Amino acid sequence: EVQLLESGGGLVQPGGSLRLSCAASGFTFSTYAMTWIRQAPGKGLEWVSGLSAGGDATYYVDSVAGRFTISRDNSENRLYLQMNSLRAEDSAIYYCAKNSGTIALREVFDSWGQGTLITVSS
Amino acid sequence: EIVMTQSPATLSVSPGERVTLSCRASQSISTKLAWYQQKPGQAPRLLLYGASSRATDVPARFSASGSGTEFTLTISSLQSEDFAVYYCQQYDNRPPWTFGQGTKVEI
Repeated sequence: EVQLLESGGGLVQPGGSLRLSCAASGFTFSTYAMTWIRQAPGKGLEWVSGLSAGGDATYYVDSVAGRFTISRDNSENRLYLQMNSLRAEDSAIYYCAKNSGTIALREVFDSWGQGTLITVSS
Repeated sequence: EIVMTQSPATLSVSPGERVTLSCRASQSISTKLAWYQQKPGQAPRLLLYGASSRATDVPARFSASGSGTEFTLTISSLQSEDFAVYYCQQYDNRPPWTFGQGTKVEI
């Protein structure tokens, strides 16, 4: 059974930084692309960033490009999201999701973690 | 960026009814369309992809169709556990992958 467990969320001041982690199990982590998706309270879903299985291709939504960095450690079965220069509009539940394929392009998100809440506020 | 528009925003139905949800893309996405279900306090769950293929363990009462810019999700006979928010998502060509704003199916 695929399991994805996010951690690292919390309250942070505007301009601050936070690093999210997603621990994966139940599948061969190194052979699947991974994705971060967020959901502001009471709102819809927004794709944030994707990363290929090998870690060589990264993709970001424009609103976080240059501030967020997605990465992975295939030896530890972990996905990360380094978030810098945080803004109030970054406040959301951040979900880690497993892609259906390897390259992080034209793939669906077939398993999701339960999410971790980020609140950006002074 | 491809804009996904779902309708209606809210659907009030009774158990046992047939339900049809719509999703429109701002440009053609072929059949690169997925549907997700999200229940309160839970993460989304993949229901269908490739416009009409059911994901693992998804009941047969869920079906979907469409191509290009117009897509539908049909629940043939609504069960109590189907009351949720449903999102469509396009994954054609290149990022950003975008979601519709969701349709809430309520009693």
